[in-house]
Amino acid sequence: QSALTQPASVSGSPGQSITISCTGTSSDVGGYNYVSWYQNHPGKAPKLLIYNVSKRPSGVSNRFSGSKSGNTASLTISGLQAEDEADYYCSSYRSSSSWVFGGGTKLTVL
Amino acid sequence: QVQLVQSGAEVKKPGASVKVSCKASGYSFTGYFIQWVRQAPGQGLEWMGWINPNSGGTKYAQKFQGWVTMTRDTSISTAYMELTRLKSDDTAVYYCAREGNTVTNGHDAFDIWGQGTMVTVSS
Repeated sequence: QSALTQPASVSGSPGQSITISCTGTSSDVGGYNYVSWYQNHPGKAPKLLIYNVSKRPSGVSNRFSGSKSGNTASLTISGLQAEDEADYYCSSYRSSSSWVFGGGTKLTVL
Repeated sequence: QVQLVQSGAEVKKPGASVKVSCKASGYSFTGYFIQWVRQAPGQGLEWMGWINPNSGGTKYAQKFQGWVTMTRDTSISTAYMELTRLKSDDTAVYYCAREGNTVTNGHDAFDIWGQGTMVTVSS
């Protein structure tokens, strides 16, 4: 079963905004509103940033936002900061009670 | 506070089995699914499956069917993931994570993660 498709890398300067895309199919991203995004610093456990497409858990900065159109979800980070440099993963619920992750996107803050 | 604490690092030989534990605290263990995810060195996250601690029901990713077993012990709020017939490419950090709601059978996201357990498979 294929992973969701994310760009391998994105970059931006401090203060700028970047968007990471996550493309799936009608059996996952397009079919359910259970898309979530995770931030993963090397050597650390992933951290939930966005759930149910666009909701932020308590304590997550409002610089992180999520959206979805058709089979593609997106994570936008505004006002880039040095500590945002990390790997980012999308995930979606998939038919038959399963889950799938994207391949991950490495964010570099220039 | 709400947390998942996993067992320590393991080194195994090819063909052996490994059993990783995940102890929950600070919330109702049976109220949420426990998901298992692994991350090989330098690679992305890979979903392995889930267990419903309330019913004991499981769902495994197709890739792992037949060689992963997920169980739980509700008396000590602990979930387990056992992987058999280990190969070198099973070397990875294995994570447990809390998700959804077993009462409503609803799903949302992996909101609490364990610290990870490094499993190294080497002869």
